[in-house]
Amino acid sequence: SQTIHQWPATLVQPVGSPLSLECTVEGTSNPNLYWYRQAAGRGLQLLFYSVGIGQISSEVPQNLSASRPQDRQFILSSKKLLLSDSGFYLCAWNRQGLETQYFGPGTRLLVL
Amino acid sequence: KQEVTQIPAALSVPEGENLVLNCSFTDSAIYNLQWFRQDPGKGLTSLLLIQSSQREQTSGRLNASLDKSSGRSTLYIAASQPGDSATYLCAVRGLRNQAGTALIFGKGTTLSVSS
Repeated sequence: SQTIHQWPATLVQPVGSPLSLECTVEGTSNPNLYWYRQAAGRGLQLLFYSVGIGQISSEVPQNLSASRPQDRQFILSSKKLLLSDSGFYLCAWNRQGLETQYFGPGTRLLVL
Repeated sequence: KQEVTQIPAALSVPEGENLVLNCSFTDSAIYNLQWFRQDPGKGLTSLLLIQSSQREQTSGRLNASLDKSSGRSTLYIAASQPGDSATYLCAVRGLRNQAGTALIFGKGTTLSVSS
């Protein structure tokens, strides 16, 4: 069976500090991978998606970046966090060509 | 640009009631629609997925309908239970979506079922 992991579960960071959130998927190969953010009072917003190693597409201009160094690893990063980066970050995957998306447990980020 | 709206934003019902959650989308050119459940502080769990060619999907006490031409979907929950308390999210994938199979989400309906 497939599982998706995210860590850390919770993170409190000062403004201007760097960020690295990790997402890994087990039990499948060559998945589509996604990073979403859920901010207070707003719906989930797609930040990045990847259809393969080293292939990253961004949906919105922002302070964040993403990388996919391995087939089942997706990393969300920032060099300098902003207050507005606070939120709940969700990683998701689905099989190429199949539509159901499976979500990870999420990382709650608070920037102070 | 696709927009997804969910009404109501919050709903409180006593245990045992049947209820309907509503979702509307502005662009009817969708590939499919998916309903998710999110418990507080947790990730999303997929409940039902309806392809654009389908009218409804059922799973246990849940029934989701899709009227693509009018841009609407409903999630019907029969005989509600306290364990159904959660936020329910509706999401669509558009035909013209450039982001692979990414989804456009509504803000959700937060359901509270009291015993």
